Amino acid sequence: GAGVSQSPSNKVTEKGKDVELRCDPISGHTALYWYRQSLGQGLEFLIYFQGNSAPDKSGLPSDRFSAERTGGSVSTLTIQRTQQEDSAVYLCASRWTGLGGYTFGSGTRLTVV
Amino acid sequence: TQLLEQSPQFLSIQEGENLTVYCNSSSVFSSLQWYRQEPGEGPVLLVTVVTGGEVKKLKRLTFQFGDARKDSSLHITAAQPGDTGLYLCAGAGSGNTPLVFGKGTRLSVIA
Repeated sequence: GAGVSQSPSNKVTEKGKDVELRCDPISGHTALYWYRQSLGQGLEFLIYFQGNSAPDKSGLPSDRFSAERTGGSVSTLTIQRTQQEDSAVYLCASRWTGLGGYTFGSGTRLTVV
Repeated sequence: TQLLEQSPQFLSIQEGENLTVYCNSSSVFSSLQWYRQEPGEGPVLLVTVVTGGEVKKLKRLTFQFGDARKDSSLHITAAQPGDTGLYLCAGAGSGNTPLVFGKGTRLSVIA
């Protein structure tokens, strides 16, 4: 596609429920990144994919968080048993090579009530 | 852990004024990128600086990479209300390793 597409744009969920966030990167971009942005905070790295594999999962805050990428394209970030501290904007970005800048999606704003 | 410190955190100025935003680290980066983010949107890349001492200009914006590749600055001349937004610096390591982002400078330009 022309840009990075994320869905849903907004998600309100009850504490304890599971949520899935989707990212559709730019076609041909091999690297895909998930970040989280909380109010007043910078971008916190979560996980990145090179193709379908995830060389670096070090940013995932707990084992409630997982992600996968299929076909070298779409990625899904899953948060199980959501907690209020999971409330944030989840941003996905992709790029073609390590030398280029990121193209970000508009994010998913997750609110856990 | 590589950290990027940005200053100031908040900046409110009148239209037409000049300003400088700083991005500092104790770590060396292979390159440094600047992004601008508006409410409800993802960050958008403004520039990448690669060589120590490099200066790049983008209209009224001037970006500089420190000689030691540990710090950078963004200077805006004659700021306009359209410059309002969150400015983020991000440091790159090697290959596809994730960018490290600063917390950002929130700029408000008042007409």
